[in-house]
Amino acid sequence: EVQLVQSGAEVKKPGDSLKISCKGSGYSFTTYWIGWVRQMPGKGLEWMGIIFPADSDTRYSPSFQGHVTMSADKSFSTAYLQLNSLKASDTAIYYCARRFGEMLSYYFDSWGQGTLVTVSS
Amino acid sequence: DIQMTQSPSSLSASVGDRVTITCRASQSISSYLNWYQQKPGKAPKLLIYGASTLQSGVPSRFSGSGSGTDFTLTISSLQPEDFATYYCQQSYRVFGGGTKLEIK
Repeated sequence: EVQLVQSGAEVKKPGDSLKISCKGSGYSFTTYWIGWVRQMPGKGLEWMGIIFPADSDTRYSPSFQGHVTMSADKSFSTAYLQLNSLKASDTAIYYCARRFGEMLSYYFDSWGQGTLVTVSS
Repeated sequence: DIQMTQSPSSLSASVGDRVTITCRASQSISSYLNWYQQKPGKAPKLLIYGASTLQSGVPSRFSGSGSGTDFTLTISSLQPEDFATYYCQQSYRVFGGGTKLEIK
């Protein structure tokens, strides 16, 4: 069974940094891209970007480029999302998801449980 | 960047109703359109990919159609467990704003 398990909820202060993890199991972790999706409180889904764990190739959404860093450690089958200089507006649930598909028809077929990040002074 | 617009943003319906949700892309995306269902406090769940292919395990009352810029998600006979928020997505990228399906 494909599983993505994310790190637990975090409470941070403005200006802090944070690294969320997403550990994959039940499949070849280096074969599929991992995407990150943000959901602010009461709002919709926002695509942040994707990373290929085999070589850490990344593609960022223009909306998040420069504000987040995606990385991966294939030895631990884990992808990471780093958020720097946190602001209250970074308060959200962050999801990782596996990108599946072929021939340009791609989709997120398996999702992590989400990590709630709260930024408050 | 491609924009994805869903309508309506919210919808009230009854069990047994037939419901249609629309998603429009700002430019042609061929059939690279996915639909997800999200229930409160849960991660999104893939329903349909490639505009019309039902993900394994998804009930057949869900169907998708369209190509180019206009797409629809149809639920043929609403069940109590279908009340949720639905999102379209262009390939693995941009999401639509969501449609909240509520009980009338």
